[in-house]
Amino acid sequence: ETGVTQTPRHLVMGMTNKKSLKCEQHLGHNAMYWYKQSAKKPLELMFVYNFKEQTENNSVPSRFSPECPNSSHLFLHLHTLQPEDSALYLCASSHPLDRGLASHNEQFFGPGTRLTVL
Amino acid sequence: GQQLNQSPQSMFIQEGEDVSMNCTSSSIFNTWLWYKQDPGEGPVLLIALYKAGELTSNGRLTAQFGITRKDSFLNISASIPSDVGIYFCAGWGGNEKLTFGTGTRLTIIP
Repeated sequence: ETGVTQTPRHLVMGMTNKKSLKCEQHLGHNAMYWYKQSAKKPLELMFVYNFKEQTENNSVPSRFSPECPNSSHLFLHLHTLQPEDSALYLCASSHPLDRGLASHNEQFFGPGTRLTVL
Repeated sequence: GQQLNQSPQSMFIQEGEDVSMNCTSSSIFNTWLWYKQDPGEGPVLLIALYKAGELTSNGRLTAQFGITRKDSFLNISASIPSDVGIYFCAGWGGNEKLTFGTGTRLTIIP
C-alpha cells in the first residue's frame, strides 16, 4: 500500500465512450502526475499538477483531459480514444519542490488502471 | 532530451544468486531512484540516492550513486522468488521531469 489509490483497476471502453480515471493520494503531497505505460516503452509522463495547477502537458492529445479539483484528487477524462491508447495509466504523487515548480523527487505510484480500447 | 540506458534488459537467475543491474545517462542527475514493479501493479520505490558516491541499502538491496553522477547501480543479494519483477531506475536533474529507464525484467528459474 503506497498511499495512492486508483479506480477503476481495469477498464474496457469503445472508441465512442466517455470514461474517467480517478486517483486519490493520502500522503499529504501537493504534486500529482499522470503517466502512460505501454509494453516495452519507458514510462511516459502525461500531465503534472502542482498545488492544483497544471504545470506540464507533455504534448498529450486532447482526447485526454485531466482535472485536479484539490491536492488529493486527480482525474483523467477520456473520450473518443483510439486502440493505441490501450495501456496502463499510472498516477503518482510527490512533495512539491517549490510553489510553481513540481518536485520530481520520490514519486509514489498508484496501482494503475489497465485500459483497453476496442 | 535526456536518455537512460538500463541494462541488462532481462535476467534469468537461480534462487540464491546475486543480481546486478545498472543505469547510465548522457547527462548529470542530482537524484537517482530505483523502483520495482510487480505484474498488474504500479512501481514501488525501493531506494533513493541524493549524493554522488552514496551507497544505500534496503535489506538485501544495495544501490550506489555513481561518482560521475551519470550512472547508478542496484545489487540484490541472495535472490528469493518474490524478487521477480521489473526494476526501473529513474533520474532527476533538478528542474526537469523524472527520466525513467526501460527496465530490467528479473526472472528466477526454479
